Amino acid sequence: EAGVAQSPRYKIIEKRQSVAFWCNPISGHATLYWYQQILGQGPKLLIQFQNNGVVDDSQLPKDRFSAERLKGVDSTLKIQPAKLEDSAVYLCASSLRTGTGELFFGEGSRLTVL
Amino acid sequence: EDQVTQSPEALRLQEGESSSLNCSYTVSGLRGLFWYRQDPGKGPEFLFTLYSAGEEKEKERLKATLTKKESFLHITAPKPEDSATYLCAVQGTNAGKSTFGDGTTLTVKP
Repeated sequence: EAGVAQSPRYKIIEKRQSVAFWCNPISGHATLYWYQQILGQGPKLLIQFQNNGVVDDSQLPKDRFSAERLKGVDSTLKIQPAKLEDSAVYLCASSLRTGTGELFFGEGSRLTVL
Repeated sequence: EDQVTQSPEALRLQEGESSSLNCSYTVSGLRGLFWYRQDPGKGPEFLFTLYSAGEEKEKERLKATLTKKESFLHITAPKPEDSATYLCAVQGTNAGKSTFGDGTTLTVKP
């Protein structure tokens, strides 16, 4: 069974530039999550989708972050404009359904903002 | 708001030296408590789910236990390949999301 795919693995940008991350969840998983993990900290939920609808985006900085999951499969997370404090690993995870705590994570996309 | 605190932040053990990691939590109605393992440069990997106080789960050298306020991850006779960051997460009945702690980084020296 293929795991959660993410790209790019690494990205370095200047502050105020934009960046986009892509995620393809495990086939058949209805729920998709984007987490932000700052070095030395645990993952923090940014946004949760159930199929192509948003379940929770309360922690998403909507002035600069956006995410979409068209057709209820893969997803894109965008940051525009980036700030220095956005330097982190962006983890995508999927699960069979909302409410299950067994999440399957991708390897993450490491963002460095200079 | 759900909260998770893990201790210690870092733990160094000699191979074969057993120990425990702690996860204290505050949640309004526990739906589940989860343990994950994270290797450097990788995403977290699911280990266990615990649902109610008194429950225990085992996998190889790891055993997770749960009380009403905390969970322990016991590591028996660890090996160097057990070195990783161990993350604890909780899910309350009011939310469909998991809240993570900051993890314990375990280093096992041969």
